[in-house]
Amino acid sequence: DTEVTQTPKHLVMGMTNKKSLKCEQHMGHRAMYWYKQKAKKPPELMFVYSYEKLSINESVPSRFSPECPNSSLLNLHLHALQPEDSALYLCASSPESFGDEQFFGPGTRLTVL
Amino acid sequence: KQEVTQIPAALSVPEGENLVLNCSFTDSAIYNLQWFRQDPGKGLTSLLLIQSSQREQTSGRLNASLDKSSGRSTLYIAASQPGDSATYLCALTGGGNKLTFGTGTQLKVEL
Repeated sequence: DTEVTQTPKHLVMGMTNKKSLKCEQHMGHRAMYWYKQKAKKPPELMFVYSYEKLSINESVPSRFSPECPNSSLLNLHLHALQPEDSALYLCASSPESFGDEQFFGPGTRLTVL
Repeated sequence: KQEVTQIPAALSVPEGENLVLNCSFTDSAIYNLQWFRQDPGKGLTSLLLIQSSQREQTSGRLNASLDKSSGRSTLYIAASQPGDSATYLCALTGGGNKLTFGTGTQLKVEL
């Protein structure tokens, strides 16, 4: 298996809802990433997990809560989001954490009403 | 702070044309540089990775070059096809695992 999968593909939620995004890879990669991408802009790094430990948090608001239950799975828990959080959320993985090629999933299109 | 710029922001070419996409960066202390393509509303597809010690990489009709001293990378696409239409992003890392992305070039290849 040489791909990163993300579920769901689309998500619509209200500002009071709690939802989760899921990312999975079975390539044996030890680093996993969450990015946020607004329309016509490049992706912005949110979090990095290295060997299942959070290594980078790019000052992301606490309404976004990442979780890495095991080396293959990465979740992003969402709570009390704002309409401006609507974006494409991308997950990526890389073999190790230091400068390796990153492989991206198809993304989850999130709309906050 | 590393800044990565891609020029032009948009490009339209006729099918069959050879073309070059440019990526410029301000800090030459990079570890590697990666080129991606992104179709509208989709994820990123990795095209080529160039390590800092390399000058170029080739994959099929694609050739990417890297000149650290001048802070430039180019992506050459030979014999362009309508299926090449997408946004192309360069991204680099100075070490660690944080990618800095360029501003992107939106390519349209017309029949």
